[in-house]
Amino acid sequence: GAGVSQSPSNKVTEKGKDVELRCDPISGHTALYWYRQRLGQGLEFLIYFQGNSAPDKSGLPSDRFSAERTGESVSTLTIQRTQQEDSAVYLCASSLESRGSYEQYFGPGTRLTVT
Amino acid sequence: AQTVTQSQPEMSVQEAETVTLSCTYDTSESDYYLFWYKQPPSRQMILVIRQEAYKQQNATENRFSVNFQKAAKSFSLKISDSQLGDAAMYFCAYRRGSNYKLTFGKGTLLTVNP
Repeated sequence: GAGVSQSPSNKVTEKGKDVELRCDPISGHTALYWYRQRLGQGLEFLIYFQGNSAPDKSGLPSDRFSAERTGESVSTLTIQRTQQEDSAVYLCASSLESRGSYEQYFGPGTRLTVT
Repeated sequence: AQTVTQSQPEMSVQEAETVTLSCTYDTSESDYYLFWYKQPPSRQMILVIRQEAYKQQNATENRFSVNFQKAAKSFSLKISDSQLGDAAMYFCAYRRGSNYKLTFGKGTLLTVNP
């Protein structure tokens, strides 16, 4: 079936504007994750959703960042009042479960550039 | 907190040769998983190989194999018969068995020379 998809692929925005990034997980995957990848760095965990449980927001860097997920489908990551340090690739992943050796399947990411 | 260290920012290999990418990690847990991900220029992270800490046998997937040294907390990736399509960023990642968060190293950029 289809993999994880993300939109837009690239986003250029002006400092101070709000942006919304979208993630469509693989159908049937109950767990969904957002990561941030800064230039030359590994991935940083941002937020995790599992079914109807309360999300783990412990990785969100500031209160300008928020995310929502509707049931076990689409998720949106919103960044308010963007800053230049928010420039990065934002990757979404999903998995059947979140424990054990279940693989996280990644989308192609959204490259955000704040000017 | 768990940390993952990849000490080689860049590596290069000749086509058809073998290359080994290094990874060390720090944890006090006994139940955990280790992964190698490949990220080509398309940005899509692709799982290359995984290792369960409780398994003594090193994982292998075709041309990819790992050398898992649990006592030394080392998890290196060996790529045999390197191909041009292997060129990518490679990330080592750790996950505690009871948790879902992946902790990534900073990556190693692999170049394959024809």
